[in-house]
Amino acid sequence: DQQVKQNSPSLSVQEGRISILNCDYTNSMFDYFLWYKKYPAEGPTFLISISSIKDKNEDGRFTVFLNKSAKHLSLHIVPSQPGDSAVYFCAASGGSQGNLIFGKGTKLSVKP
Amino acid sequence: NAGVTQTPKFQVLKTGQSMTLQCAQDMNHNSMYWYRQDPGMGLRLIYYSASEGTTDKGEVPNGYNVSRLNKREFSLRLESAAPSQTSVYFCASSEGDEGYGYTFGSGTRLTVV
Repeated sequence: DQQVKQNSPSLSVQEGRISILNCDYTNSMFDYFLWYKKYPAEGPTFLISISSIKDKNEDGRFTVFLNKSAKHLSLHIVPSQPGDSAVYFCAASGGSQGNLIFGKGTKLSVKP
Repeated sequence: NAGVTQTPKFQVLKTGQSMTLQCAQDMNHNSMYWYRQDPGMGLRLIYYSASEGTTDKGEVPNGYNVSRLNKREFSLRLESAAPSQTSVYFCASSEGDEGYGYTFGSGTRLTVV
């Protein structure tokens, strides 16, 4: 049973517009959430995180929103750039395990 | 550059052959991990080591063994490779504090024929 779900395998956005990537989770004990970005033939790289005691964290063009009651988080990229084209993984930690649980990823394509 | 180094980057094995994937980190991290990435499956944890001298199974440990040789190195061994183990393997390390997340290596692409 998937504890971290990314229901959209892919997303296509025009350059300059907003990209919104979504993630749902089932374990209410998760206390930290992270987003990773992955380019082809490279390892995932850490992008941004949020603690469960917050509902928003912003870093430049990237903002993560957390809705604990809905067990939902989203990553907003504004404005989107072609270099943002990559696979984005949502991850969560806490609960009964100390390691990160990853979603299946969403492939973002930003078109010029 | 400091980080996580994986060797080899590519490998082709015949069914039944064995091999060891090597991973080393130079960030003095306590915890190390092995993940596999398959199309449509995301990143799945194979084994992890919370600290030197300890190892634990993850979500998909069958067919694999690991060794935490010292604080820097964490190897993954396939004793008898199977086509189902064709995948991209990523090693990662972390302080152990979940808030900092993991640092990943660039991966090993393994094909078993």
